This record gives sequence, C-alpha cells and structure tokens, in this order.
Amino acid sequence: SAVISQKPSRDICQRGTSLTIQCQVDSQVTMMFWYRQQPGQSLTLIATANQGSEATYESGFVIDKFPISRPNLTFSTLTVSNMSPEDSSIYLCSVEGPLRYNEQFFGPGTRLTVL
Amino acid sequence: AQSVTQLDSHVSVSEGTPVLLRCNYSSSYSPSLFWYVQHPNKGLQLLLKYTSAATLVKGINGFEAEFKKSETSFHLTKPSAHMSDAAEYFCVVMDDYKLSFGAGTTVTVRA
Repeated sequence: SAVISQKPSRDICQRGTSLTIQCQVDSQVTMMFWYRQQPGQSLTLIATANQGSEATYESGFVIDKFPISRPNLTFSTLTVSNMSPEDSSIYLCSVEGPLRYNEQFFGPGTRLTVL
Repeated sequence: AQSVTQLDSHVSVSEGTPVLLRCNYSSSYSPSLFWYVQHPNKGLQLLLKYTSAATLVKGINGFEAEFKKSETSFHLTKPSAHMSDAAEYFCVVMDDYKLSFGAGTTVTVRA
C-alpha cells in the first residue's frame, strides 16, 4: 500500500483567508483524489487530480473555491479559498491502489477550523 | 450512479459478542464494494473489499463481509467484538474510479 502524508495536519484560520493543503505519496500514482468530511458527516469527493491535466470537479465544487495543483506523480495541493466557517472540515487526499479501479488509500487528513 | 445505504447509524455491542453492520447497495451491474474504518482522530483504513471474486470476503482484524446479489447487500460482521473495534465504519461503492461513501455507522463497544 502507498504511504501518504498531508501537511498541515490541522489548522485554525480566519474567515476570508486561504489555506493550501499538501499531499505527498511515496510512490508514483496516476490518479489522486481530494475529499471533504464535514463534522459528523461522511466523505464527499471534491475532485480528481491527474498529473498533466486540470482537475475534474464534482457537482457542488468549483475551481475558484478549491483550486488544485498536480505538478508531478507524487504530489498534489488543494487550496481552500476565501474561507468561511462552513469550510470547517477534515480534508483528505487519496490515491488509487496498484491495480486501477481496485481500491484507494487515504492520507491522515487535515483538520481545518475556520473562525 | 451507484450508491450505498448503511441501515444503522449507531450500533452498540458488548465486548465478546458478534457485530453486524448492514449495508445495501444500488447498482445496475456488479459493483466493487469496500468497508473502511475510521478510528477517532485517525485516518481511514481499508477493512476489506469485494471485486467480483469470492462472495465471502475476509478482511483485517477478524472482520468479514458477504456479497449477496439477490439481496443487494454487503453486510459486515465480526464474531467477537473487541474494545478496539469502537470506531466509525463506512460502506463504500466504487463507480468507475470514484468512491461513494455511505453515511457511516458508529460502533460502540461496552465492557
């Protein structure tokens, strides 16, 4: 399985500011994913990030609010822009397993609180 | 689109007794199904997966799940609960490469 790290592990931010979350994988992967887990809720897919192309966003999520970068096969960033308290969530990145469509491995998550 | 429904939001069991977490899926074809566990303040861990091989799937920590196409179910079981099993459990379906999560079941284990 892939080893995934995220930075920061948690942060407290003021409304109106932006935060960039980093996701680093110990092996090269084609597909990376970003999820949001609101307090007491399940996970919702924000977008899929493939290296060399623009991210694909799910319904309800837009690039202006959640810009994503994927500069290489082991790294991705998610920015939460112009934050409001409603953005307080855990943000998780995941990567596909060694066999495509097989499974996904998750990072430890970034716990974001917006005041 | 494929989806899953977890029938219980909260399950409470005594240590040493069986655990049953229920999940139904909606799919127009044979799905890939997973159970993930999330311990408090920890990341998500894959418990087991079904990908159209054996219908009875064995996972880590003594958990297993049975895929029943006739009932569109993928229930998770463990014969004897341990205190360390207290966590949030998610039933998940893969549609193409995307994961769709159920609402989750919180498991409480009583001493």
